[in-house]
Amino acid sequence: GDSVTQMEGPVTLSEEAFLTINCTYTATGYPSLFWYVQYPGEGLQLLLKATKADDKGSNKGFEATYRKETTSFHLEKGSVQVSDSAVYFCALSDLTGRRALTFGSGTRLQVQP
Amino acid sequence: EAEVAQSPRYKITEKSQAVAFWCDPISGHATLYWYRQILGQGPELLVQFQDESVVDDSQLPKDRFSAERLKGVDSTLKIQPAELGDSAMYLCASSLAWTGAGEQYFGPGTRLTVT
Repeated sequence: GDSVTQMEGPVTLSEEAFLTINCTYTATGYPSLFWYVQYPGEGLQLLLKATKADDKGSNKGFEATYRKETTSFHLEKGSVQVSDSAVYFCALSDLTGRRALTFGSGTRLQVQP
Repeated sequence: EAEVAQSPRYKITEKSQAVAFWCDPISGHATLYWYRQILGQGPELLVQFQDESVVDDSQLPKDRFSAERLKGVDSTLKIQPAELGDSAMYLCASSLAWTGAGEQYFGPGTRLTVT
């Protein structure tokens, strides 16, 4: 079945540091890929998405590129802020199937001033 | 901006009691999902509706969990009886049916604590 693997956290960075959170996936079809962010005590917010190979999703300074050859969708940001501290989830949706999201286990990011 | 509504936000119940959660999706979203998120893990699908019909409930523990979406709009998830292992965040999400990239929009969740 489909699966998503994320790097384990927590990831601790100083403000203005460069961020990378690794995500790889396994899927039988041609999935859409997503990054969601969850702030403490809240639901998940869609951060960015990509629907086909080589697509780059971007939002709020975050970027991720759909790499079919390496089955990866790594999240990057050039300069993190304290307000970026949250848990980040990589997810996929198989558009040929039932479309429910399959999530990774999440990566906690802590940004220190 | 339209949002998914859920209530209650927090629920504390004793083991063996019944508990119910409510979700109102974004207007016009035909597909509704219930996910369970155990602390420190990613959400996992419990049940998926297309309008009022169940599309997938393969991961729903049907001996104690039930879900309905009678008029194809809002939905209720029930647990009876609750067990200690049911303590988790219950998330509702909605999406436009069979269009777009498959993105889903989540509500704030209901945090359930079973004592």
